[in-house]
Amino acid sequence: GAGVSQSPRYKVAKRGQDVALRCDPISGHVSLFWYQQALGQGPEFLTYFQNEAQLDKSGLPSDRFFAERPEGSVSTLKIQRTQQEDSAVYLCASSLGSPLQGGETQYFGPGTRLLVL
Amino acid sequence: LAKTTQPISMDSYEGQEVNITCSHNNIATNDYITWYQQFPSQGPRFIIQGYKTKVTNEVASLFIPADRKSSTLSLPRVSLSDTAVYYCLVDYKLSFGAGTTVTVRA
Repeated sequence: GAGVSQSPRYKVAKRGQDVALRCDPISGHVSLFWYQQALGQGPEFLTYFQNEAQLDKSGLPSDRFFAERPEGSVSTLKIQRTQQEDSAVYLCASSLGSPLQGGETQYFGPGTRLLVL
Repeated sequence: LAKTTQPISMDSYEGQEVNITCSHNNIATNDYITWYQQFPSQGPRFIIQGYKTKVTNEVASLFIPADRKSSTLSLPRVSLSDTAVYYCLVDYKLSFGAGTTVTVRA
């Protein structure tokens, strides 16, 4: 595709519900990242995939957050038993190569705005 | 991990040059410096990236001194549409921080 796409763009959940957020990266991009952006703040790293392998999940705030990328393309971020503090924009980004090599540019999707009531 | 520090906000007028300096005292040897622009309700958009000295593209210039402990993004002749938040990033695992809100006035 032309860029990174995310769905849904907006999600309203009742506290305690599970949600699943989808990311379609740029075709052929090896690396995929998830970020959380609270209102008025910059994006905060959540997790990183290289192909289907989740190489870094140090930013996931709790065990209620789970991400997968089973075929090395589309990724899903799942939040179980949502809490009000989970309300934020969730951004997905992809890059052609590995960020560990330096010099890789991340291309961001438009984000999914999650509101937990 | 190299933490970045930027001014919270900057004001400018159309046609002026805007320079935003980012400090990253603990930058690692293999870290590149990347700047992003973000508009409301959109994801960050890549502006420019560099490792050392000066890099220029069609929208901006990036100046990096020899010690690489800081970098300066230069936006020439800004317009109203350049009003946005600008972030510098040296490590993908770091928070982008609050960024610099640039407001361009007519």
